[in-house]
Amino acid sequence: QKEVEQNSGPLSVPEGAIASLNCTYSDRGSQSFFWYRQYSGKSPELIMSIYSNGDKEDGRFTAQLNKASQYVSLLIRDSQPSDSATYLCAVKTNQAGTALIFGKGTTLSVSS
Amino acid sequence: EPEVTQTPSHQVTQMGQEVILRCVPISNHLYFYWYRQILGQKVEFLVSFYNNEISEKSEIFDDQFSVERPDGSNFTLKIRSTKLEDSAMYFCASPHVGEATTDTQYFGPGTRLTVL
Repeated sequence: QKEVEQNSGPLSVPEGAIASLNCTYSDRGSQSFFWYRQYSGKSPELIMSIYSNGDKEDGRFTAQLNKASQYVSLLIRDSQPSDSATYLCAVKTNQAGTALIFGKGTTLSVSS
Repeated sequence: EPEVTQTPSHQVTQMGQEVILRCVPISNHLYFYWYRQILGQKVEFLVSFYNNEISEKSEIFDDQFSVERPDGSNFTLKIRSTKLEDSAMYFCASPHVGEATTDTQYFGPGTRLTVL
């Protein structure tokens, strides 16, 4: 059974702070890792993808991957109230056409 | 901007009825995925569809469900004899056409299905 685990939160941070979101996965065959943001009642919106160990930065977002520890994280710098949402971690194998396995998501609340 | 749209945005049906949810691509897509999300729960994979054939399906995708591409463009998910527990958001997803990787899945806006 392939599992993706996330702390459900809520994670509360003040505006301007760094928010750190964590995710672990059970399938060592996972090769592709994604972070989605989901506002209440809306569809998941892709933020970042990461495929190799290490860090990947895109604006205020940094994804970190450690395949040996089966761990992926998302850092949000200079957090804004508009970042308040649920962040979903998703993983898949490297085969085309295969499914994303999602975690339950971490709810982030950024206070102004 | 999503490359797929979904219709209807909200569908209300009586238990036991059949529903058809539609995914409408903006441009040519070969890969499609259907997911569902029961309120308060995680996004769950249902089925993937490549080049007009099912490539993978989950345990959720039983005989009650079917997918097809009836006119070569729109992509439908049919749920026969709906049950109360089928109430959920149903999302269609697809990679962007022309992107180097087909791994990345972009979600449509979803259809909220309510079974009474």
